[in-house]
Amino acid sequence: QVQLQESGPGLVKPSETLSLTCTVSGGSISSYYWSWIRQPPGKGLEWIGNIYYSGSTNYNPSLKSRVTISVDTSEKYFTLKLTSVTAADTAVYYCARSVGDTSGGLIGYWGQGTLVTVSS
Amino acid sequence: DIVMTQSPDSLAVSLGERATINCKSSQSVLYSSSKKNYLSWYQQKPGQPPKLLIYWASTRGSGVPDRFSGSGSGTDFTLTISSLQAEDVAVYYCQQYYSTPYTFGQGTKLEIK
Repeated sequence: QVQLQESGPGLVKPSETLSLTCTVSGGSISSYYWSWIRQPPGKGLEWIGNIYYSGSTNYNPSLKSRVTISVDTSEKYFTLKLTSVTAADTAVYYCARSVGDTSGGLIGYWGQGTLVTVSS
Repeated sequence: DIVMTQSPDSLAVSLGERATINCKSSQSVLYSSSKKNYLSWYQQKPGQPPKLLIYWASTRGSGVPDRFSGSGSGTDFTLTISSLQAEDVAVYYCQQYYSTPYTFGQGTKLEIK
């Protein structure tokens, strides 16, 4: 059974870069889409973007200018970088995997999530 | 972007009764060539990540009890819980995966009456 685990700083200063890593275990990183999704405290879900194992990416246009997602298939992890953060970027960040490779947006597996707070 | 709108925002149902949650998309999520609706439903309990309940609008996810069912096509969809159990208390989200950016409904909070 595939497992996903987010890691990274829980506190980031305004204007700095948020960096998170998602480590994949118990399954292959190939032939799937790997996503980042966030949820501000008490609010709904926002898809940030995804990457196919081959390296092709899709980003939410609302964040596209600030987001980079990358993947390391040999080490079985993928990363999120979000630049120039503000308090509005405070959220629980989830990494996730698609069900198959038919659609990158059909999310079948989620990490437990990590809370990132943007504050000085 | 495709806007997903759920109704109601919250719902209180007695144990053993039926719960119905609606989801409307701002444009069709039915892919004509495959005749599949790119619509999923997730359940999120407090402090947990979402769990996939339903995909392709009506296919239950792995291990999902058969009291959960999904229906609808095009722009209008429904999640039905046929007989509410205490463990079904959660927030439910619909999501379209027809086109990027993939978008979620605002969520429906389901409680016990």
